[in-house]
Parts: sequence; structure tokens; C-alpha cells
Amino acid sequence: DQQVKQNSPSLSVQEGRISILNCDYTNSMFDYFLWYKKYPAEGPTFLISISSIKDKNEDGRFTVFLNKSAKHLSLHIVPSQPGDSAVYFCAASAITSGTYKYIFGTGTRLKVLA
Amino acid sequence: DGGITQSPKYLFRKEGQNVTLSCEQNLNHDAMYWYRQDPGQGLRLIYYSQIVNDFQKGDIAEGYSVSREKKESFPLTVTSAQKNPTAFYLCASRASGRDKDYEQYFGPGTRLTVT
Repeated sequence: DQQVKQNSPSLSVQEGRISILNCDYTNSMFDYFLWYKKYPAEGPTFLISISSIKDKNEDGRFTVFLNKSAKHLSLHIVPSQPGDSAVYFCAASAITSGTYKYIFGTGTRLKVLA
Repeated sequence: DGGITQSPKYLFRKEGQNVTLSCEQNLNHDAMYWYRQDPGQGLRLIYYSQIVNDFQKGDIAEGYSVSREKKESFPLTVTSAQKNPTAFYLCASRASGRDKDYEQYFGPGTRLTVT
């Protein structure tokens, strides 16, 4: 049972345009959501996060939107740059036994075309 | 400078051998995690530890063991009981506290190949 889903395994976008990456979750107990960027053979790097009490968080070119009623979040990158080409994972967290556990989606490979 | 180190970057073992993956952090984080990543899949939690001398099984703990004798170190042993040990292994840590805005920091990963 996959609690966090990224239904698009890949996405191609022209440089300068907007990239929209989507993520759906099923567990209403998740209270914090994060996006990570990952290059091959490297560890993920944190991009942006959002608390469940908010519906939007912005950091430079990156904006995350949260729709709690739909259990859906999205990452917008604008304008997209070739260096943004990577795999993007969304993750949801909830406290379990006093520790935050993170559930990751399967990732979306973004390719930004020059 | 602070961070998480994992060694080695690439590791090769024969089937039937146990192997231990190293994870060290100097971020003074309390919580540490081990994940594995397989092609086309997300990160799956193997074990996690909130404090020294305490750890809990994640979603796919079978065939793995860990120890947490020091705050800075959280080694993962892949035993011969693990049926599909070949994967990319990632270690992460997280600061603890009431503030939930603490993301996980990841190490560079170890690619284990068992033949």
C-alpha cells in the first residue's frame, strides 16, 4: 500500500517554462511534506517543505502547494533551468514512536530542455 | 564542515557474506535513518534511531541489523539473510525538537553489489 504516490515517472519541460511535479498521499496523519532533488549515485538534497497548516510555501524559483482536502501537493519550478534536471522525490512525515518517519514517493525524473 | 559521510561509495561482496555499511554525522543530530533505493522506486526505510542505544525497524528491516553505540555513528549490516541486497543505500539524519521544520540530511550513499 503506497501512501505517497508520484504518478508521473518523467516530465520534460522547455528551459524557461514552468515545471509542475505532482504528489498524492493517502494518510491524513501526515503533517509535514518535503521535496528532495536527487542526482544519480548521490544522496537527495532538500529543496523545500510545507507544514500541513499551510497551503503554500515559496523559496526563490520553487513553490510548493498543498491541498489537504484533495491530499495533493505540487512543486512548481519557474523558470525551469537545465540544471534542474534530476529526479524529484516528495516525502511525507508523521511522528511514530516519538520519531518522525518519512514516506517517500517513487520519484519523477525532470528533464529541462535547453 | 558538518555533514554525513558514508563509506565506501561502492562495495562489492560475494553472496553469503555479511557486510557493514558505515554512516557518520557531525551535525549533532539525534535521529538517524537508513534507506535503500532500487531502480524506479522511492526510498524505503530499513531502520531508524531516535537516540543512542535505541533503534526501531522500518518497513523493510528483514535481513538487516544496526547498532547505535554513539550519537555520531549508525552502521548498517546487510546479512546473508537479505534476499536482494544489491541496492543503493542512503543514510540520513535529522535534528530533533518541537519545531517540525527540520528536514532530513542525506549522505552520499553506498552502492552495494552482491554477486
